Amino acid sequence: DSGVTQTPKHLITATGQRVTLRCSPRSGDLSVYWYQQSLDQGLQFLIQYYNGEERAKGNILERFSAQQFPDLHSELNLSSLELGDSALYFCASSEAPTSSYEQYFGPGTRLTVT
Amino acid sequence: AQKVTQAQTEISVVEKEDVTLDCVYETRDTTYYLFWYKQPPSGELVFLIRRNSFDEQNEISGRYSWNFQKSTSSFNFTITASQVVDSAVYFCALKSNTGKLIFGQGTTLQVKP
Repeated sequence: DSGVTQTPKHLITATGQRVTLRCSPRSGDLSVYWYQQSLDQGLQFLIQYYNGEERAKGNILERFSAQQFPDLHSELNLSSLELGDSALYFCASSEAPTSSYEQYFGPGTRLTVT
Repeated sequence: AQKVTQAQTEISVVEKEDVTLDCVYETRDTTYYLFWYKQPPSGELVFLIRRNSFDEQNEISGRYSWNFQKSTSSFNFTITASQVVDSAVYFCALKSNTGKLIFGQGTTLQVKP
């Protein structure tokens, strides 16, 4: 158990809908990362937050947004869902965003868009 | 550009065989960090090891060992005396200065009894 929690574990929804994925980092970690794992794109970085502030952005679609709250949990919002958004979404956390800290991953949320 | 290449898509071995998973990376950073993660069939990503670019000492942890060679930009992972429980997808990753991880495509290891 990495100490990072993600809910829900599975999510099935229809095209055009909006969903929210939730992540709680390990105790003491201030930095949260979101990654998407799909068969065709592999594991890709989406966005990073540190202590409530956006720190870095990857190939995140405009239909996707995220935030980190004062209690350090984070939410990833996916809207106008398309079939291609079906993927495993991981949240990871680390003590700080500097490169020396390893990231610990949550169990992931498997999103299926039908 | 930063990139991680895991040329081996799938490897199949018989239990007790040794197996090496290859990882080649590209970066222009002088300081960087390399990682290996394991993704078992259950799906979670499990951290295995971190290596700093300025520390080329090889590391051994039980049946696992890692060979970091800066001259060839490689960070290979060897499992000695493989076991069925080692069956998983293994990812090599490079951490950028911003903190994001750049993953290779992963190597699926199947260990047969």
